[in-house]
Amino acid sequence: GQQLNQSPQSMFIQEGEDVSMNCTSSSIFNTWLWYKQEPGEGPVLLIALYKAGELTSNGRLTAQFGITRKDSFLNISASIPSDVGIYFCAGTLIYNQGGKLIFGQGTELSVKP
Amino acid sequence: ETGVTQSPTHLIKTRGQQVTLRCSSQSGHNTVSWYQQALGQGPQFIFQYYREEENGRGNFPPRFSGLQFPNYSSELNVNALELDDSALYLCASSRTQSEQYFGPGTRLTVT
Repeated sequence: GQQLNQSPQSMFIQEGEDVSMNCTSSSIFNTWLWYKQEPGEGPVLLIALYKAGELTSNGRLTAQFGITRKDSFLNISASIPSDVGIYFCAGTLIYNQGGKLIFGQGTELSVKP
Repeated sequence: ETGVTQSPTHLIKTRGQQVTLRCSSQSGHNTVSWYQQALGQGPQFIFQYYREEENGRGNFPPRFSGLQFPNYSSELNVNALELDDSALYLCASSRTQSEQYFGPGTRLTVT
């Protein structure tokens, strides 16, 4: 089935550092979304992307929809302790079946004060 | 604006039993999707409901079924529970197929 390969699996960084994570696929995606999930909670939508090449920011977060439609990345600048959590990329395929979101495996971010 | 709510928060069932999970969509949203999230994994799409009809289904057996009501709330039913059904079940609401907003989930444990 369709898969999203998300990397890295985990990151341990110092407060104030910038973070970069990405998702790739062999399939073409129609939309890309980035979510953050904290323990015991559901994923929270951070950024949604709808056009190839689109670059969108949300505060210290910036995400891009790859030109090939097969990848996306998320950057977090000047990380702070509350950035800790698991970040998921998700997307819908060009020939989507009923709004199905396909998720990556997640990137677990740890921030050391 | 009220977000997506789910009930119950936690549930323990025995193998072979049946379970019903409930979801209230965010105000103004007419589409509800259900996902299963195993520990350490990303959510897996179960199915989506739009205008009370199933609008797409993932790779889950028929013992996973659902309903959507006229007020857009939804139920997920799982029959003949198996140990592997233990997971966090997430509901997400959206306006048609746009951005999906998730509830806090129901943690199901099957023993």
